[in-house]
Amino acid sequence: TQLLEQSPQFLSIQEGENLTVYCNSSSVFSSLQWYRQEPGEGPVLLVTVVTGGEVKKLKRLTFQFGDARKDSSLHITAAQPGDTGLCLCAGAVARGGSNYKLTFGKGTLLTVNP
Amino acid sequence: DADVTQTPRNRITKTGKRIMLECSQTKGHDRMYWYRQDPGLGLRLIYYSFDVKDINKGEISDGYSVSRQAQAKFSLSLESAIPNQTALYFCATSDYRGSYEQFFGPGTRLTVL
Repeated sequence: TQLLEQSPQFLSIQEGENLTVYCNSSSVFSSLQWYRQEPGEGPVLLVTVVTGGEVKKLKRLTFQFGDARKDSSLHITAAQPGDTGLCLCAGAVARGGSNYKLTFGKGTLLTVNP
Repeated sequence: DADVTQTPRNRITKTGKRIMLECSQTKGHDRMYWYRQDPGLGLRLIYYSFDVKDINKGEISDGYSVSRQAQAKFSLSLESAIPNQTALYFCATSDYRGSYEQFFGPGTRLTVL
């Protein structure tokens, strides 16, 4: 069973600060996704990284996939209260051909205070 | 209109009762999933289906069963609910092509007393 460890589990910061959330595993994943979940809603995809060493930027968010495709990080610059929510990473495990399933980390609960 | 819908959104039931949670999607995806979410435990896969005739157990399938009635419908049943099945349940869909993105419904909050 592939496991994804996310850290920190909880993060409370002030508006304007920078932060990084980590997602680590001993297993190799075909791809890694980051989702954001707001209270009372389902997770929504932020980004998918596929290639080892890949870096993707989405406005104030920077995602990195480790060279060995076992770990990833999410860096947020100048956090805003609207960033508050649960950050989830998920690794895709191939089952054969194009079949796969996702393994989710336990999440990082982010609170950005005004 | 929502692409992935779940009914009911909230349900309170008693131990031993049979419960069915339903999921419908208009995205035309062939793949559907059921997850449960507990505080501090993240999302855990209960069952998944890659098409109407392909249903697979996830990591925590004990005490649950599913039915894929059509490509667009995937229901989750608790034959005899127990309190430790109190959780938030999510249905998700994905396409076999592309980036493996999963699209989630709004969730069902189930409380078993």
